Amino acid sequence: AQSVTQLGSHVSVSEGALVLLRCNYSSSVPPYLFWYVQYPNQGLQLLLKYTSAATLVKGINDFEAEFKKSETSFHLTKPSAHMSDAAEYFCAVSGGGTSYGKLTFGQGTILTVHP
Amino acid sequence: DAGVIQSPRHEVTEMGQEVTLRCKPISGHDYLFWYRQTMMRGLELLIYFNNNVPIDDSGMPEDRFSAKMPNASFSTLKIQPSEPRDSAVYFCASSLWQDYNEQFFGPGTRLTVL
Repeated sequence: AQSVTQLGSHVSVSEGALVLLRCNYSSSVPPYLFWYVQYPNQGLQLLLKYTSAATLVKGINDFEAEFKKSETSFHLTKPSAHMSDAAEYFCAVSGGGTSYGKLTFGQGTILTVHP
Repeated sequence: DAGVIQSPRHEVTEMGQEVTLRCKPISGHDYLFWYRQTMMRGLELLIYFNNNVPIDDSGMPEDRFSAKMPNASFSTLKIQPSEPRDSAVYFCASSLWQDYNEQFFGPGTRLTVL
């Protein structure tokens, strides 16, 4: 079985501040991990993915995430928030067993950026 | 590549009517997923297919919902009869298992049942 927990359903930061969105996962097999972003009235878009090649993963728009096996975490960060980063962010895990082929999504974190 | 295509983008119907949502996955992808998104319940996986065969439909709310994938390039999600509580945004996504199951989402269909 696999699961994802996103800590904090809402995160608010000031423009230019560090963005940190937290994700912890549970998986019975080595996981593949993803962060998706959803802008208002749009579908989900891939930000970045971890596929075991490197623990620090860089994505689009200066986002990055670090896979920490010991902490079962895959937190998303961005050094300096822009107003255009305001959106909902989803962490997801892909695994094996009965979950083979599908992604298990977290509940999402809404990021608000204040001027 | 055109991406995942969904139609219609918006659908407004009255309670009791049949609703059919359509999806064209990315060419070559072997998995197709149907999701529902609401404010109350978030993003829910309804059903997914592998090579046109339904693998897991445990997320389908009830017998009013059905999904088919007659070929690799087309899938439908049907609600009959529709109810106001079915109002949501329905997303279709597709993936290729060799690509770590990365899913590509369509733009969604916003369904309103009056």
